[in-house]
Amino acid sequence: KQEVTQIPAALSVPEGENLVLNCSFTDSAIYNLQWFRQDPGKGLTSLLLIQSSQREQTSGRLNASLDKSSGRSTLYIAASQPGDSATYLCAVVDSSYKLIFGSGTRLLVRP
Amino acid sequence: KAGVTQTPRYLIKTRGQQVTLSCSPISGHRSVSWYQQTPGQGLQFLFEYFSETQRNKGNFPGRFSGRQFSNSRSEMNVSTLELGDSALYLCASSLEQGEYGYTFGSGTRLTVV
Repeated sequence: KQEVTQIPAALSVPEGENLVLNCSFTDSAIYNLQWFRQDPGKGLTSLLLIQSSQREQTSGRLNASLDKSSGRSTLYIAASQPGDSATYLCAVVDSSYKLIFGSGTRLLVRP
Repeated sequence: KAGVTQTPRYLIKTRGQQVTLSCSPISGHRSVSWYQQTPGQGLQFLFEYFSETQRNKGNFPGRFSGRQFSNSRSEMNVSTLELGDSALYLCASSLEQGEYGYTFGSGTRLTVV
């Protein structure tokens, strides 16, 4: 059974810091991995999609990497801003094509 | 390009009642998935519909059901509501089997009193 773990559960950093969010999964047989952002009470906004044949994806200040063999992904946020404060969720698409989510990392960027 | 539309945004229901939630996927997307989000359990998969057929189902009781119409719009029904059904219900659409990622709607916040 696929399990996804995100570390840390919460993070508080001053504005301007570069930070790394970690995601690990137990079964390397995934189709792709997607990072989402969720603001309180809102839906999920897709940040980056890494397909199983890819190693990383970049969008603006965000960079996500994927190492299937070790069951790990990281989301790197450069030069963090208060507007980046949200919960970040990692999800893998398993062998039956459903998303399995981690419990998320709550990020607070202090001005 | 319109996103995923979920209606209604908020619902308050009484225990024992039933409720129907609606999801309109992105135009051209044929797969619609439903997820329940609660503070205690996080995001859990309910079911997925593709071309009007349920292709996958999570570990939820039979009170939770759904369907998909020929225009790919999907509805989710919960009968005999319980207090524990209070949650944010999220719908996601994808082209086929998620190989190009999933797009989520804003969700329906259901409160059972």
